[in-house]
Amino acid sequence: GQQVMQIPQYQHVQEGEDFTTYCNSSTTLSNIQWYKQRPGGHPVFLIQLVKSGEVKKQKRLTFQFGEAKKNSSLHITATQTTDVGTYFCVCSSYETSYDKVIFGPGTSLSVIP
Amino acid sequence: DTGVSQNPRHKITKRGQNVTFRCDPISEHNRLYWYRQTLGQGPEFLTYFQNEAQLEKSRLLSDRFSAERPKGSFSTLEIQRTEQGDSAMYLCASRFTALGEETQYFGPGTRLLVL
Repeated sequence: GQQVMQIPQYQHVQEGEDFTTYCNSSTTLSNIQWYKQRPGGHPVFLIQLVKSGEVKKQKRLTFQFGEAKKNSSLHITATQTTDVGTYFCVCSSYETSYDKVIFGPGTSLSVIP
Repeated sequence: DTGVSQNPRHKITKRGQNVTFRCDPISEHNRLYWYRQTLGQGPEFLTYFQNEAQLEKSRLLSDRFSAERPKGSFSTLEIQRTEQGDSAMYLCASRFTALGEETQYFGPGTRLLVL
């Protein structure tokens, strides 16, 4: 079945440094979403990417969908302590059932003030 | 606040007991999902409903688990004869089905501890 990987699993950065997490799917995706989960909280939607090679920005966050629609990245510029949390990519694939999505294992970000 | 509510927020039970969780989705959302999340892992899909119809169940959903959404509004997830391995956060999410709109809105979750 479809597998989703995220690297790194953990990342500790000094406040102000940049951060990038990568998501890779074993199958071609119809779309990919990114969610953020704060410690003790629930996943919160950040963005959805649909088109091959799509790039979207939200303030300091840049999301990219690969040309082959099998991978994606999330880049945070100049991290802040409010960026702390786990970032999940959530994959919808043509090979999974219509409405079931698969969460990646997540990248946990710690920001040292 | 996302508008999805879950009750109870925490549940401690003894092995072998039955537990039931409730999810109230955002009112206009016709899709409702249940996930299970263990520490350090991403949410794992359990099942989902389109209105009152349960359309898919994961193989993770053993015969001890049952979910209902009788009137197409709130949903319940029941675990019978709980086991220690059932200890996890149970998340509910909802969304409205519209072309190109796939955002799921998560509730705060019910944290289950089976002793």
